[in-house]
Amino acid sequence: EADIYQTPRYLVIGTGKKITLECSQTMGHDKMYWYQQDPGMELHLIHYSYGVNSTEKGDLSSESTVSRIRTEHFPLTLESARPSHTSQYLCASSYGGMNTEAFFGQGTRLTVV
Amino acid sequence: KNEVEQSPQNLTAQEGEFITINCSYSVGISALHWLQQHPGGGIVSLFMLSSGKKKHGRLIATINIQEKHSSLHITASHPRDSAVYICAVGGITQGGSEKLVFGKGTKLTVNP
Repeated sequence: EADIYQTPRYLVIGTGKKITLECSQTMGHDKMYWYQQDPGMELHLIHYSYGVNSTEKGDLSSESTVSRIRTEHFPLTLESARPSHTSQYLCASSYGGMNTEAFFGQGTRLTVV
Repeated sequence: KNEVEQSPQNLTAQEGEFITINCSYSVGISALHWLQQHPGGGIVSLFMLSSGKKKHGRLIATINIQEKHSSLHITASHPRDSAVYICAVGGITQGGSEKLVFGKGTKLTVNP
C-alpha cells in the first residue's frame, strides 16, 4: 500500500480565497509531482520537484505554486482561487525516473464557487 | 492528436469475460505504466514494463516496442475490476526533464 497522503480529499471554497493542498509521503522519495485532472480527461503535470528546495513547473500552465522544504512534504498553494481552478489535483512520488514505479495519493477534488 | 491513445474509451462486460484494453503511443519511452483509478479518484500502479509481458493475478500486460503498442488483459473479470484504466508513458518535458504522458483512460464496467 502506498504511503502518500493528500488532504483534504474534497474542498468547496469561495472565489478569492487562499488554499493549500497538502501532500506527504513517508517513503523517502526525492521526486514528487502534482497533476491536474479534469473529469474524463488525462492527467497533466503542473509541478514537480526532484528534492528539497527544487521545484519546477510542468507542461500545463498553472497559477498555483509549490514548495519543497522537507523531503516528505510537497504542498500546493493557490493564492486566490477562481472557478477555473475547479479540478482534481493528484500528488505522486517516485524514487527514480520514469522507469520506476510512481505512487499516487487519493487526490483532492477542488470546487471553487 | 494525443501522444498516448487508448481504446476503447468505454467498455462494459459481463462478469467472467476476458477484457482487453489497448494503448498506442507516439513518443519514445523509457517505460510504460498501467494505472487503475477508482471512482474515489485515487490511482494505483498496476504494472510498469519496458519489454515483453508481466502477469499479476488475473492481470496481464504486454508491450511491443517496435509497434509502440501495449495491451492490458483481465481474465475472469469481476465487478470489483470496474474502474478507469490509464496508460502512461515516460516522456520528456519542454525543459528536458522526464515526465509521464497519460492517456485519457478506459472506463471499464463489469456487470454481475
